[in-house]
Amino acid sequence: GAVVSQHPSWVICKSGTSVKIECRSLDFQATTMFWYRQFPKQSLMLMATSNEGSKATYEQGVEKDKFLINHASLTLSTLTVTSAHPEDSSFYICSARGDGGTQYFGPGTRLTVL
Amino acid sequence: QKEVEQNSGPLSVPEGAIASLNCTYSDRGSQSFFWYRQYSGKSPELIMFIYSNGDKEDGRFTAQLNKASQYVSLLIRDSQPSDSATYLCAVSRAAGNKLTFGGGTRVLVKP
Repeated sequence: GAVVSQHPSWVICKSGTSVKIECRSLDFQATTMFWYRQFPKQSLMLMATSNEGSKATYEQGVEKDKFLINHASLTLSTLTVTSAHPEDSSFYICSARGDGGTQYFGPGTRLTVL
Repeated sequence: QKEVEQNSGPLSVPEGAIASLNCTYSDRGSQSFFWYRQYSGKSPELIMFIYSNGDKEDGRFTAQLNKASQYVSLLIRDSQPSDSATYLCAVSRAAGNKLTFGGGTRVLVKP
């Protein structure tokens, strides 16, 4: 149990385009999901907390207009990187909060912006 | 000072030995503590969590928490080459709240 999926697993796009990443909790409902970003040889940095049916809470320094988060159902949250640039290239990982508060991580999405 | 600090390593241990990983945190309000393992190019996977002072054992893993010293550790007994990975310490103010990660300790288990 407690499986979280992400789609796509990797994406390459041109600078200036937008990319949408999906995060799904497959066998449980998650009112809260989290989006992280990890640059090479660095740890995970929380970008935002996504709550079903309400606006996401962004961490300091994360542009909410650039990283659009939608959590429309109890099993799906999406992250859209708008007008992506090479510096946005990173490993984006979501997690979903399960029973007891434990966070279960998705497999991650590797974004490369050319 | 970083909120959660770990020695980056690499920590090199021979197969079958005990690997000891340490983590210190600065927020005294932290109540929940987690250890994750991350293989290169993969997302983290939960090894175990601990909420109370003392030791918690799960198979070959033992987590130790000392809130007064703001210190949490992870012991890996009978280390295997498959344990070679980066181990991330994460803390939160309450279970289910946002996690703050340390930089991770890279562990290399040599056959």
